[in-house]
Amino acid sequence: AQSVTQLDSQVPVFEEAPVELRCNYSSSVSVYLFWYVQYPNQGLQLLLKYLSGSTLVESINGFEAEFNKSQTSFHLRKPSVHISDTAEYFCAVSSPGGSYIPTFGRGTSLIVHP
Amino acid sequence: EAGVTQFPSHSVIEKGQTVTLRCDPISGHDNLYWYRRVMGKEIKFLLHFVKESKQDESGMPNNRFLAERTGGTYSTLKVQPAELEDSGVYFCASSPRTGVNHEQYFGPGTRLTVT
Repeated sequence: AQSVTQLDSQVPVFEEAPVELRCNYSSSVSVYLFWYVQYPNQGLQLLLKYLSGSTLVESINGFEAEFNKSQTSFHLRKPSVHISDTAEYFCAVSSPGGSYIPTFGRGTSLIVHP
Repeated sequence: EAGVTQFPSHSVIEKGQTVTLRCDPISGHDNLYWYRRVMGKEIKFLLHFVKESKQDESGMPNNRFLAERTGGTYSTLKVQPAELEDSGVYFCASSPRTGVNHEQYFGPGTRLTVT
């Protein structure tokens, strides 16, 4: 069985400050890792994913996440956040060759203050 | 291209009543998924359709939940009779195929409140 832990339910930060949203997973098999974002009144959107290859993956809006197998982590970072980054962020894991159904964490609400 | 749509966006019903949620996937997507998020908890998988067939319904909580996808297009999720613990946000997602991309396209969700 797989599980995802997002320890922080809420992360308040000031605009232009750096942010890290933490994600740890447990799995007995190899994994695919995802970060989804849900902006207010919208559906979940895929922000970035790790399938294989480089352990550092980036999104088009400046977020990045690094797959760390030894620490079973996939933390999401951004060096300078904007007000528009205010949203809920979900980390998820699935298995290669499996049913492709992701297991989600509880979500982290990122609140960016001016 | 229209995204995944869900109707209604909100529903408030009394315990014991029936509610039907609808999901219209992206046109041409064979795979359709239902998920539920109870407040503050994880988004949990309910079931997966491939076209009109139920591929995996292991996440359905109990027999008060009935999902259908007649004709392999839109899907409905009926809760009958609704209980208080059914409250939450119900998400629908679709994908063109299972494969290396693993990307599912999510709708905005239906917020169900059972009072």
